[in-house]
Amino acid sequence: EDQVTQSPEALRLQEGESSSLNCSYTVSGLRGLFWYRQDPGKGPEFLFTLYSAGEEKEKERLKATLTKKESFLHITAPKPEDSATYLCAVQAQDTGRRALTFGSGTRLQVQP
Amino acid sequence: DAGVIQSPRHEVTEMGQEVTLRCKPISGHDYLFWYRQTMMRGLELLIYFNNNVPIDDSGMPEDRFSAKMPNASFSTLKIQPSEPRDSAVYFCASSSLGAGELFFGEGSRLTVL
Repeated sequence: EDQVTQSPEALRLQEGESSSLNCSYTVSGLRGLFWYRQDPGKGPEFLFTLYSAGEEKEKERLKATLTKKESFLHITAPKPEDSATYLCAVQAQDTGRRALTFGSGTRLQVQP
Repeated sequence: DAGVIQSPRHEVTEMGQEVTLRCKPISGHDYLFWYRQTMMRGLELLIYFNNNVPIDDSGMPEDRFSAKMPNASFSTLKIQPSEPRDSAVYFCASSSLGAGELFFGEGSRLTVL
């Protein structure tokens, strides 16, 4: 059974204070690891896909990295508008398993 | 494209009533997913379809839940009879070619009293 564990559950940062979110995963053959952002009252919104260990993706103040067992979402000099819940998910290689397994998320609050 | 469209956005009903949630996926997408989100359990897969055919319904809690996709542009999730523990936000998402980039709707918040 695929499993995704995210930490911390919640994180409060001051504007400009950089930090990292962690996503540990267990999957029998990784097809892809995904990061999503979810704002209150909205559906998750896709951010990044990572396919293999060592891969990195960047978007504005966010950078996602991947190892064989975990992924990190680094937030550099965050702004209040980065406040959201960040979800990590995995997809298995098995063609019969196209659904994503999600972690419980990290709730990020950036204070001005 | 308008994105994935779900209705209703909010539904309050009494225990025992039938609930039907609706979803219109993005045109051209061949995968459709139904997820449920609660504070306790996070986002859980209920069922997904590929080309209108149900592929994996192992997440459907019990026989009270059923889902259909009669055509490429419409899907329903039905709960009959509803129970208070079904209270959650139900999300529909679609994707193309089995990619992990899912496009989510805004969700249907269900409250069963």
